[in-house]
Amino acid sequence: GENVEQHPSTLSVQEGDSAVIKCTYSDSASNYFPWYKQELGKGPQLIIDIRSNVGEKKDQRIAVTLNKTAKHFSLHITETQPEDSAVYFCAAPMKSSGDKLTFGTGTRLAVRP
Amino acid sequence: EPEVTQTPSHQVTQMGQEVILRCVPISNHLYFYWYRQILGQKVEFLVSFYNNEISEKSEIFDDQFSVERPDGSNFTLKIRSTKLEDSAMYFCASSVDTYYGYTFGSGTRLTVV
Repeated sequence: GENVEQHPSTLSVQEGDSAVIKCTYSDSASNYFPWYKQELGKGPQLIIDIRSNVGEKKDQRIAVTLNKTAKHFSLHITETQPEDSAVYFCAAPMKSSGDKLTFGTGTRLAVRP
Repeated sequence: EPEVTQTPSHQVTQMGQEVILRCVPISNHLYFYWYRQILGQKVEFLVSFYNNEISEKSEIFDDQFSVERPDGSNFTLKIRSTKLEDSAMYFCASSVDTYYGYTFGSGTRLTVV
């Protein structure tokens, strides 16, 4: 099945700085790459996703970039705020099917005020 | 905004007992999923359900697990004889189409003692 690697496992940034989280995937046929934010005691919440027909997608302070050749995609958060502190997971479809997801191991982001 | 609702939020059960975790997916969604997350680890796929039948299941989803959609709104996960290693957060998710990101519920924390 799909193997998704995520780095770093923890990230601490100063409020206002940018944060970048990277993921690599193994299945070159994967065509959908969501990012989820998980706050303490809550379920993962979809914050942005990208499909393989585009290289970048932006939504306010959040952007995702995709490099299909290198099989990696990244989450970029600009002008970070304390409320951005959470665990972020990338995901990619399992090889066997398009809608079942393999998740990365998560990045715990801490934004220091 | 529509939500996926899970009950209970926390369930403590003795080893060997049966548990039923309940979920109410978003009303117009057609695809339903169960994932689990062992404390501090990544989210893992358990099972997907479409058109009143299981469409895919993982190696974790053995004979002790079953899912059911008993009526038009509920989606349940049953564990027949719980083991200590079943202790985890169980997340239900639903999607309107296989090509759209899921909406996750807030999860049920299952503790097997």
